[in-house]
Amino acid sequence: DMKVTQMPRYLIKRMGENVLLECGQDMSHETMYWYRQDPGLGLQLIYISYDVDSNSEGDIPKGYRVSRKKREHFSLILDSAKTNQTSVYFCASSSANSDYTFGSGTRLLVI
Amino acid sequence: QQKVQQSPESLIVPEGGMASLNCTFSDRNSQYFWWYRQHSGEGPKALMSIFSNGDKKEGRFTAHLNKASLHVSLHIKDSQPSDSALYFCAELSGSFNKLTFGAGTRLAVCP
Repeated sequence: DMKVTQMPRYLIKRMGENVLLECGQDMSHETMYWYRQDPGLGLQLIYISYDVDSNSEGDIPKGYRVSRKKREHFSLILDSAKTNQTSVYFCASSSANSDYTFGSGTRLLVI
Repeated sequence: QQKVQQSPESLIVPEGGMASLNCTFSDRNSQYFWWYRQHSGEGPKALMSIFSNGDKKEGRFTAHLNKASLHVSLHIKDSQPSDSALYFCAELSGSFNKLTFGAGTRLAVCP
């Protein structure tokens, strides 16, 4: 079964702490994405990775960085988390025909 | 302002009724459009794509595209309670299959 797996599902962090969100896919897709979802704003693109160590900023990259050392894994890092980074984060990967497969999301609360 | 505008924000239809969701884009160069559906607690899942003017039907779902008016719509015939979800339209742009999403329409189908 083709899928994108995100860990953890829920996370609570204090302001200023570092946060690591992890994502894996089993479809050998080259391209992977990180989005965040906030009420009334839809899904906003944070970063795109088009292969190992080949990453590009999305629409809202400020405060985030990413790491992709293996094709099947893509990590999102928040250095010194802020309260306005409380959100639901989704990872996705896509095939050549642009059909995205999303993970189930990580719900991050920064207090 | 969102590049992709969706309307209405929310919609209630009776079971067996027709649900109509709308989307307006700002980029005349957009060529490819997607509809995604997200049930509560899950990641978005692709419903269907459309890139030619006119209608595309898949089961109870029909997408309609009018590039001249920058408009795409989704019509759900014989709506079921299981269709209750958040629906996103998205336009494909640039390289690396970047999808830009609207804010979503929340559909409730009442028995």
